[in-house]
Amino acid sequence: KQEVTQIPAALSVPEGENLVLNCSFTDSAIYNLQWFRQDPGKGLTSLLLIQSSQREQTSGRLNASLDKSSGRSTLYIAASQPGDSATYLCAKSGYSTLTFGKGTMLLVSP
Amino acid sequence: GAVVSQHPSRVICKSGTSVKIECRSLDFQATTMFWYRQFPKKSLMLMATSNEGSKATYEQGVEKDKFLINHASLTLSTLTVTSAHPEDSSFYICSARDSQTLYSPLHFGNGTRLTVT
Repeated sequence: KQEVTQIPAALSVPEGENLVLNCSFTDSAIYNLQWFRQDPGKGLTSLLLIQSSQREQTSGRLNASLDKSSGRSTLYIAASQPGDSATYLCAKSGYSTLTFGKGTMLLVSP
Repeated sequence: GAVVSQHPSRVICKSGTSVKIECRSLDFQATTMFWYRQFPKKSLMLMATSNEGSKATYEQGVEKDKFLINHASLTLSTLTVTSAHPEDSSFYICSARDSQTLYSPLHFGNGTRLTVT
């Protein structure tokens, strides 16, 4: 059974801190790995997509890495802001399947 | 960028009625679309994979007669919750991948909040 685990489940930090969200998965057969953001009661926003042949992707203050051999991905958020408060989900993708972790709920306080 | 439009965003219906949710890919073709359900404080759960021109593939435990999926064109999939009950109240999200782009990411709709009274 494919599983995706995210640690921590919740994280509260003061504004300006750099932080790391962790995602681990079983089964190294992977098409790509995506990180999403979900605001309360809203849909998902795709943040970063890492293809199986890649090791990392960067977008602004976000950097995501992928290590297939260890079954891990990390999302690094630099200089966090209150607007970053949301739930962050990672998802491991086969071509037609997608398995989500339960997410990390992030709160960035002013 | 690619956009997936999901409609309606919110719907309230009475027990026993049916509700249809639409998922459209606005600027790309999607031979496959996915329907998810999210319970409060839980991760998304894949309900079914919608295949254009053929039957949907349902995940274990999802009642196919209750959650009817139709994927009649390359840009539209619909999920109909039939004979809705209060326990069907949930947040439903669809996603689609551009079938003409290699390694296309999944694009998500904004979700539909269903409340069954």
